[in-house]
Amino acid sequence: DIQMTQSPSSLSASVGDRVTITCRASQSFGRYLNWYQQKPGKAPKLLIYAASTLQSGVPSRFSGSGSGTYFSLTISSLQPEDSATYYCQHTFNTPYTFGQGTKLEI
Amino acid sequence: EVKLVESGGDLVKPGRSLRLSCTASGFTFGDYAMNWFRQAPGKGLEWVGFIKSKTHGGTTEYAASVKGRFTISRDDSKSIAYLQMNSLKAEDTAVYFCTRVPVLGAPFDSWGPGTLLTVSS
Repeated sequence: DIQMTQSPSSLSASVGDRVTITCRASQSFGRYLNWYQQKPGKAPKLLIYAASTLQSGVPSRFSGSGSGTYFSLTISSLQPEDSATYYCQHTFNTPYTFGQGTKLEI
Repeated sequence: EVKLVESGGDLVKPGRSLRLSCTASGFTFGDYAMNWFRQAPGKGLEWVGFIKSKTHGGTTEYAASVKGRFTISRDDSKSIAYLQMNSLKAEDTAVYFCTRVPVLGAPFDSWGPGTLLTVSS
């Protein structure tokens, strides 16, 4: 199984800040990497797929990069509504594993 | 509008069975593989399994943690995917989500709100 390691596990930042969350994979899989945002009591929401493609409707302050085993999610100018937990996930093969999550507090 | 709604979550005793449903609308259900994920209280997300579209064989795959106990099926005429769960354990307690993908490897762009299964005596 591919292990996904996210860091940091939690993060506190202010409105307007730029933050980056990283995700490392235990083996290389190209760009089959997705990022999700989850708010309490809600389903995950797809933000970024194929490592760097912005999902339709997602604000452009979200961006993703990376390939192989190292990936990152950047939020360029934090907004209050960005307070959530963020997960990376690979879809290269099964099981489709997730990182442990990064809880972002604004 | 794509819509997925899970139902059937309940409080059940260890060792018992339960079937969850995922009712879909707003897209051609038969063209999509359907996946189930779960999230234990206060924990991260875990993939449970999928069923491919009939066009791609309708085959299933499961996470090791549920293989042999859980079965995913689909009724394309009703646009419903099912998750049959047998020999339930306390560690199966979670919110269960269903999602769709057009092909394996694609991202999960639509999720249902989830349904809560609690396994406890």
